Amino acid sequence: GQNIDQPTEMTATEGAIVQINCTYQTSGFNGLFWYQQHAGEAPTFLSYNVLDGLEEKGRFSSFLSRSKGYSYLLLKELQMKDSASYLCAVKVSGTYKYIFGTGTRLKVLA
Amino acid sequence: DTGVSQDPRHKITKRGQNVTFRCDPISEHNRLYWYRQTLGQGPEFLTYFQNEAQLEKSRLLSDRFSAERPKGSFSTLEIQRTEQGDSAMYLCASSYEEALGYGYTFGSGTRLTVV
Repeated sequence: GQNIDQPTEMTATEGAIVQINCTYQTSGFNGLFWYQQHAGEAPTFLSYNVLDGLEEKGRFSSFLSRSKGYSYLLLKELQMKDSASYLCAVKVSGTYKYIFGTGTRLKVLA
Repeated sequence: DTGVSQDPRHKITKRGQNVTFRCDPISEHNRLYWYRQTLGQGPEFLTYFQNEAQLEKSRLLSDRFSAERPKGSFSTLEIQRTEQGDSAMYLCASSYEEALGYGYTFGSGTRLTVV
């Protein structure tokens, strides 16, 4: 079966660093994506990992370990506007579909 | 470019009625996807088009769902004989080239409520 696990909720303080974990078990793997989704809005693309290691994009970094079926999204210098759900998604090899996790709802407190 | 457009934004329908949604992808994107999202869940894959060809359809979809992309540009998703369980946000997304690590661009979605 296909399974992606993320924590349901996290809380952090403005200016801090937060790490959102994602573990996956899928029948095949062809890349992992992170999306941000504000309440009532569409998801927006944040990052993509297909090889092991860290990808950095400004305040956001994403890490992948394919052997462990594990990824994390690191958000630095948190801002209030970062309060949103963060979705982990795996591109399943041999298909065109992405399997999404249920998302991690991040609350940034002043 | 105005991004991915979906119409309507909201739709309330009575159980048993048919509904049709429209998606206009980013013009240079040849790949188009439909997903469904319910509250507190991640998007669930429905179907995929590459140009006008429907290359994949979720086995979770019943025969009541059909999608088209007749000229490889806009797409429609039709649900026949709607049921209350069909209530969800229907998201359309498009992309150009996945191999370069480009994610989807999602539209704002159509929120369907079946009463």
